[in-house]
Amino acid sequence: KQEVTQIPAALSVPEGENLVLNCSFTDSAIYNLQWFRQDPGKGLTSLLLIQSSQREQTSGRLNASLDKSSGRSTLYIAASQPGDSATYLCAVRPTGNQFYFGTGTSLTVIP
Amino acid sequence: GAVVSQHPSRVICKSGTSVKIECRSLDFQATTMFWYRQFPKQSLMLMATSNEGSKATYEQGVEKDKFLINHASLTLSTLTVTSAHPEDSSFYICSVGMDLAKNIQYFGAGTRLSVL
Repeated sequence: KQEVTQIPAALSVPEGENLVLNCSFTDSAIYNLQWFRQDPGKGLTSLLLIQSSQREQTSGRLNASLDKSSGRSTLYIAASQPGDSATYLCAVRPTGNQFYFGTGTSLTVIP
Repeated sequence: GAVVSQHPSRVICKSGTSVKIECRSLDFQATTMFWYRQFPKQSLMLMATSNEGSKATYEQGVEKDKFLINHASLTLSTLTVTSAHPEDSSFYICSVGMDLAKNIQYFGAGTRLSVL
C-alpha cells in the first residue's frame, strides 16, 4: 500500500524567505504526483501536477520536483508571502482514480 | 473551471442520528464523484467512488451500509452517514472528476462532522 509522508508537519517563516516542503512516498510506481493547497473552510486547490515522466513543474513562485526512483518530491516556494499561509498537501496517484494524500505541511508566513 | 459546492460545512449531531452531506457540481456534469474523509492528524483517505446511475464503489474497510452514497443526477452526489457514532466524527470532502485521464479533480470545501 502506498504511504505518503510530508515533512515538516508545520513550518513558520518570515515573509520573503524561500522555503522547501518535502514529500516522500513508498511505492515509486506512480502515474503522477500533485501538490495541493488547503485553506481553512475551503476545498483543495491544485497547485502543480507532475506526470511520472517529468522531473519538475513550475508555476509562478512555485516549483515542484519529482524523483520517482527515490520516492521524493519537493515543493519550492520563492519569496514567500503572508497569503501563502495554508496547509500544503502532496498526493500521488498510482493507477486508477485514487489519490494517496500526505498528512500535509502547515505553513505560516509571518509579515 | 468547475465549482464544487458541498453542504453543510459543519454539522453537529447526536449519536444514533443520520447525517446527509451534499456535493454539487455547479458547472460540470459529473459522471464520477469521489468521497474522502480525514481524521485529525491523518491523511485524506478515499472512501468511495460515486458513479451516476449505478452503485458506488467503496474502498476496503469502508462500510457501504453505514455510508450510503446516492448519485442520482449528473450534478449531485449525497453521502449519508447512518446511525452516526462519535468515531465517525471527521472531515468529509468530495471531489468531482472532470478529466480523469489528466487527473483533474475539483474539491469541495468539506464538511466537519462532530457526533456527540
